Amino acid sequence: ETGVTQSPTHLIKTRGQQVTLRCSSQSGHNTVSWYQQALGQGPQFIFQYYREEENGRGNFPPRFSGLQFPNYSSELNVNALELDDSALYLCASSLFRGTSSGNTIYFGEGSWLTVV
Amino acid sequence: DAKTTQPPSMDCAEGRAANLPCNHSTISGNEYVYWYRQIHSQGPQYIIHGLKNNETNEMASLIITEDRKSSTLILPHATLRDTAVYYCIVRIPGTYKYIFGTGTRLKVLA
Repeated sequence: ETGVTQSPTHLIKTRGQQVTLRCSSQSGHNTVSWYQQALGQGPQFIFQYYREEENGRGNFPPRFSGLQFPNYSSELNVNALELDDSALYLCASSLFRGTSSGNTIYFGEGSWLTVV
Repeated sequence: DAKTTQPPSMDCAEGRAANLPCNHSTISGNEYVYWYRQIHSQGPQYIIHGLKNNETNEMASLIITEDRKSSTLILPHATLRDTAVYYCIVRIPGTYKYIFGTGTRLKVLA
């Protein structure tokens, strides 16, 4: 158990709709990152949040957005859903202690999104 | 961005050591090597990480070559529950952007 919880675990949406996925970080962690994992592929970095601000983003369009709250929980929002957005969405949390240290991230079990 | 190369699949007999190789020839001096595993559509599980020295914990050992261009994850006594996809990852300094490859699918055989 990593202490990172995600909801919902599974959901089905229609193309063009919007979806919000939620993540509760491990206690004491101040950084959260989100990954998308398509079937048969490794996870792809979407973005990360530190102290409620986005401070790193992967190659994803602006319709992927996020929030981090004062209690360090987080949301991933995806607008105008496309069929290719069907994937496992993973949240990971960590305690940032500086760029030179080996900060480890801990993943939740993910949210399975199917777009039809 | 440093990238990693891993064999797509490996088999290992139960009770034997599983040695999973990883090449990261473009790694820079301050980039850590991390290993995670993913058991059938669950979230990736942290195993171990290192910078220069070999590391050992209760799950595994990590051997990093002196030039840091490759590493090996060792599961000393593989069990059926170790069947999973194993990812070798290099972390981008200052971020939590981990670049995952397609990993090695390890199958532990009874």
